[in-house]
Amino acid sequence: AQSVTQLDSQVPVFEEAPVELRCNYSSSVSVYLFWYVQYPNQGLQLLLKYLSGSTLVKGINGFEAEFNKSQTSFHLRKPSVHISDTAEYFCAVASGSSNTGKLIFGQGTTLQVKP
Amino acid sequence: DARVTQTPRDKVTEMGQEVTMRCQPILGHNTVFWYRQTMMQGLELLAYFRNRAPLDDSGMPKDRFSAEMPDATLATLKIQPSEPRDSAVYFCASGLYNEQFFGPGTRLTVL
Repeated sequence: AQSVTQLDSQVPVFEEAPVELRCNYSSSVSVYLFWYVQYPNQGLQLLLKYLSGSTLVKGINGFEAEFNKSQTSFHLRKPSVHISDTAEYFCAVASGSSNTGKLIFGQGTTLQVKP
Repeated sequence: DARVTQTPRDKVTEMGQEVTMRCQPILGHNTVFWYRQTMMQGLELLAYFRNRAPLDDSGMPKDRFSAEMPDATLATLKIQPSEPRDSAVYFCASGLYNEQFFGPGTRLTVL
């Protein structure tokens, strides 16, 4: 069975500092990996996705993530955060073989950007 | 700009009442998902459909929850009777292949 672990429930960081949100997954088959962002009182919005190809994936709002198969990780990074990046971030995994479209989500990481 | 729409956005009701939440998926998407989000449990998958057929509803309390897709443009989630523990934000998402697009959610409060 697939599972996703987001290693930090909260990450406080000062504005313009770099940030990394950690995500590990477990799966015995090939996977697709996603990061979603949820701003207060809104639905989840796709930040970026890894389906195949280059292991470094760039997304919206200056975020990027690196797929590391040996470490079973998909950490999200941004070199310089803004106050507006304050939100909840969810890592998710889908089976690369079943193609059901079903995602398994992590518990979320709250990014708090301080001035 | 295609979006998933959900109605109502907010619903306050009393225990025992029936609640119906509606979702209009993005045109052309063949999968629809219903999620529930609470502080304690996080994001939970309740049910999902492919081409209007239910694929999995194992996340739903069967005795009071039901999910349907009367047609390709409408998905419904019904709770009857509602209980205070059903208070949560309910999200609908639609997708094609492995990417899901979320609606804004329905915030349900059961008193």
